[in-house]
Amino acid sequence: AQTVTQSQPEMSVQEAETVTLSCTYDTSESNYYLFWYKQPPSRQMILVIRQEAYKQQNATENRFSVNFQKAAKSFSLKISDSQLGDTAMYFCGLRTSGSRLTFGEGTQLTVNP
Amino acid sequence: EAGVTQFPSHSVIEKGQTVTLRCDPISGHDNLYWYRRVMGKEIKFLLHFVKESKQDESGMPNNRFLAERTGGTYSTLKVQPAELEDSGVYFCASSQGASGGKETQYFGPGTRLLVL
Repeated sequence: AQTVTQSQPEMSVQEAETVTLSCTYDTSESNYYLFWYKQPPSRQMILVIRQEAYKQQNATENRFSVNFQKAAKSFSLKISDSQLGDTAMYFCGLRTSGSRLTFGEGTQLTVNP
Repeated sequence: EAGVTQFPSHSVIEKGQTVTLRCDPISGHDNLYWYRRVMGKEIKFLLHFVKESKQDESGMPNNRFLAERTGGTYSTLKVQPAELEDSGVYFCASSQGASGGKETQYFGPGTRLLVL
């Protein structure tokens, strides 16, 4: 079985600053995929960024980047130049050989003006 | 392109009643998933359809939950009879054909179910 843990239920950051959301996971499989999804107050959950475990290079999507530490089973999300629209619930997800996504409990991020 | 849609957006029912949730996936997506988030906890997998067939229903909590996907298009999730612990947000997601696990699952806005 796999697990995903997000140890920060809530976080806040000032607009234009950088914030890092933590995520750790556990799986016995060697090939897997990691995801960060965000769910803004409007409720539609969207994919932020994806990382393949076999790739050593950290994924980057504009202001969003990850720090993937495979040995430590850590997958943190860094948001640079935070914007008000980044306010959302962020979910870390893990997918192995099956189809299901396993999620953490989420981190509520608030970006303050 | 229309995204995943779910109906209703909210539902309030009394314990013992029946509720049916509907999900319309993105057109052409063979894979359809149901997830649930209860009481601010993690989002948990319920089941996975490939076209009209149930690929994995190991996450279904009990036999009060029945999911169908007739014709391989939209899906319904019926809870009968509803219990208090069924309250939560029910998410539907869809994806295209399997590509080794990295394909993106696109989520709907969810249905907020409250059982009183």
